[in-house]
Order: sequence, then C-alpha cells, then structure tokens
Amino acid sequence: AQSVTQLDSHVSVSEGTPVLLRCNYSSSYSPSLFWYVQHPNKGLQLLLKYTSAATLVKGINGFEAEFKKSETSFHLTKPSAHMSDAAEYFCVVSDRGHYMRFGAGTRLTVKP
Amino acid sequence: EAQVTQNPRYLITVTGKKLTVTCSQNMNHEYMSWYRQDPGLGLRQIYYSMNVEVTDKGDVPEGYKVSRKEKRNFPLILESPSPNQTSLYFCASSSSRWTTGSGANVLTFGAGSRLTVL
Repeated sequence: AQSVTQLDSHVSVSEGTPVLLRCNYSSSYSPSLFWYVQHPNKGLQLLLKYTSAATLVKGINGFEAEFKKSETSFHLTKPSAHMSDAAEYFCVVSDRGHYMRFGAGTRLTVKP
Repeated sequence: EAQVTQNPRYLITVTGKKLTVTCSQNMNHEYMSWYRQDPGLGLRQIYYSMNVEVTDKGDVPEGYKVSRKEKRNFPLILESPSPNQTSLYFCASSSSRWTTGSGANVLTFGAGSRLTVL
C-alpha cells in the first residue's frame, strides 16, 4: 500500500533564503511522485513530477525535488524564497493502482 | 482554454437536502476523480471514473454518489448531506490513469467547491 508523509505541517522562511519541504513515501511499486501547490482560495497546480527518468526533477518557479530511493524521500527545495511562494504544498505518491495519495500538506510562510 | 469547471463554487445547505456538484472538463479526458480537502488531512479521494459508465470508490465514498454518463461530465451527488460532509471539494481529470514509461498522468484540477452543511 502506498502512503506519503509530509514531515512539517508549517515552514516559515525569510524572503531570499532557501526553502526545504520534506516528504517521505512508501510504495510497493516504482511510484510516480508529484508536488502540487495551492495558493489561497485557488485550485491545485502542478509544480513537478518524478517518473524515474532522472532523480533530480526541475519544476516551475525555480523549485526542484530529488528522488532518493534509499531514503524513500522526495524533498522539495528552492534556493531563494519569494513572497509569492507563500502557499500550501502537497506531496503526492501514485503507483499502478487507482489511488493518488496526498500528504497532509505543508503551509509555507515567507517573511519579508 | 483547457479547464475543469465545477459548480457551485460555494454552497450552504441544510442536513438532508439533496445536492449535486457538477464537474465538466473540455480536454476529452478519460479519467476523472473527486476529492475532498479537510485541514490536516490533505486531499482524500471520494470516487473516480476510468471512462464513461466506469466508476469506483476511493478512500472515503460513504455518503456520496457519482455517475459518468458522458465523457466530459462527472457530477458528485450528496443524497442526504450531513454536517461531516462540510468540506472543500475538488474535481480533477487526466488523459488516462497511467501511461507506460511516463507513470501516473498529471491531474488538472477544478477551482474547488466549498460546501457547508448546517
């Protein structure tokens, strides 16, 4: 059975400093992994997707994530936070089953 | 513009009054799905549909019904809403569930429907 754990419910950073949002997963198969972002009162937008082609995945708005099979992790990073990055972020795992498992979400706050 | 459209966006109703949340996509997608979002729980899948007339339960189907009579539409029906169904609901679609070599396909989400049941 697949599962996903986002290790922080809330992360606060200062503008211009690095962002790290942590995600661990479990899956019986080679999974697809995603990060989605949800800005206040908006739907979900895809940031990036991993499907085994490359372990380091680059997404939109300067975000990237690294797939580490040995650690079953898929952490999201960005070198320099911007005020517009303030949002809720969801890590998602999916295998060949019909489910896409969402993490509980990490709320990112960016301070001026 | 390629999109998933949900209606209504906001609804306040009372216990037991049947309601339907519509979902329509214009991308000719086979796969459609409904999720509910609750604080601290992320999104949980309610029902999904692999194609017309093919639907199945997700993680939290109790109290909900769906139908897929046309490819573009996937309405969510609450026959007798209760307060524990107060939530933010999202409809999503993709071209298919899984593509060999590319894995799970990316979902396109609607803007959400915020439902309050009193």
